[in-house]
Order: sequence, then structure tokens, then C-alpha cells
Amino acid sequence: KNEVEQSPQNLTAQEGEFITINCSYSVGISALHWLQQHPGGGIVSLFMLSSGKKKHGRLIATINIQEKHSSLHITASHPRDSAVYICAVGETSGSRLTFGEGTQLTVNP
Amino acid sequence: GAGVSQTPSNKVTEKGKYVELRCDPISGHTALYWYRQSLGQGPEFLIYFQGTGAADDSGLPNDRFFAVRPEGSVSTLKIQRTERGDSAVYLCASSLGQGNTDTQYFGPGTRLTVL
Repeated sequence: KNEVEQSPQNLTAQEGEFITINCSYSVGISALHWLQQHPGGGIVSLFMLSSGKKKHGRLIATINIQEKHSSLHITASHPRDSAVYICAVGETSGSRLTFGEGTQLTVNP
Repeated sequence: GAGVSQTPSNKVTEKGKYVELRCDPISGHTALYWYRQSLGQGPEFLIYFQGTGAADDSGLPNDRFFAVRPEGSVSTLKIQRTERGDSAVYLCASSLGQGNTDTQYFGPGTRLTVL
């Protein structure tokens, strides 16, 4: 069992739909990161959170420490949101990030 | 300002050869990370530098892999006697501080293909 699991693996949506990507983890963490990876490999950090909720534009990230679960929401999705979204956790025991396998999101016009 | 840069962007080599991959972090970032990403997978941690020293190298898969950061800025990942299984995208990231609670800024990666 992976320490970080994401669902779904693949997600196809129509433009305008509300999207949720989930992340569950099994280790103690100091922070959870949501990252976006575009075709060709470029990775951009979207959020880093250790509690509660953060919002940036149409993106919202929430975390429930007790349940070891985080969600990334995209409101009013757009084709330019199409990318791989990766959840990564920073474990309390060290300095590394442990990554999920990513969720491939495709938003069709 | 400039982001994290990596060279080369693509490297094709033959099994058994030696390769060096370079990472130029954002100026002033003391923390530098190397990751490896296989097709369809999330990145996998290799090594973390704080300044010139390797603070955590537990992700290096075996002794064919080695990384240096002699002046606390540019880092080089070195792979000896490459194997086909080493084919992957090698990602570098840097951050201001230390540990895993800082925002990490990623480079574009080096795609290594071992024939």
C-alpha cells in the first residue's frame, strides 16, 4: 500500500463542472502539498497546507488531519486546467516529500 | 527572476555509460532536492541538500548514483554504469529553507533515456 494515495487516477470533465480530487495518506505529516504538472514535465506548487482550508482563485484545498485526507477542488473548470495534479506529503520524521501517483485531469470544451 | 534550470533537457546514452545531470537552483535557495519520475508515476525522492551537505540521501537507489553541491548552489547528479531501468525524468527543486514545509520550486527536468 502506498503511503499517499490519490483518487481518481483519471478524470474527464466538461468545461464549467466542479471537480474534486482526493488524497489520503498513512503517515504523520508536517505539511501536505498540491502540485500541478503540465505536459512536458513542468511542476508548479499550488498549495501547501497543514490544517484547514486554502483558496486561490478557482482552486480550493482542504485538509482533515484527523482523517488523514485532503481534497483539491476546482470550481468552474476550464480546458486550461487540464494537467496532472499531484498530492505530496512532508513527513514529520524527515525532510523528504512523498508523492502520490497523480490524477490526470482532462477538461473538455 | 530566473527559476530552477536543468541541463541537459534530454540525454540519450548507452547502457554502461556515465552521465551527469546539472541543476541550477534559484539564487539564495539553500535547500535543493533531486527526484526521479518514471512514466505515469509520481516523483520519487532521491536526495536533499542543505547548503553544501547532503542532509538526506536515503532515496538514492544504489551506489551507482551520487550527487554533489560543492559550493552550495549548483548541483550535479552523477550516474555510473547506467542501466535501462535508470530511464526516467530527473527533477530538481529548490526552496528557501529546510525540511518539507517550504514551497519547492521545480525545474523542467532532464529526460534520461538509456538504450
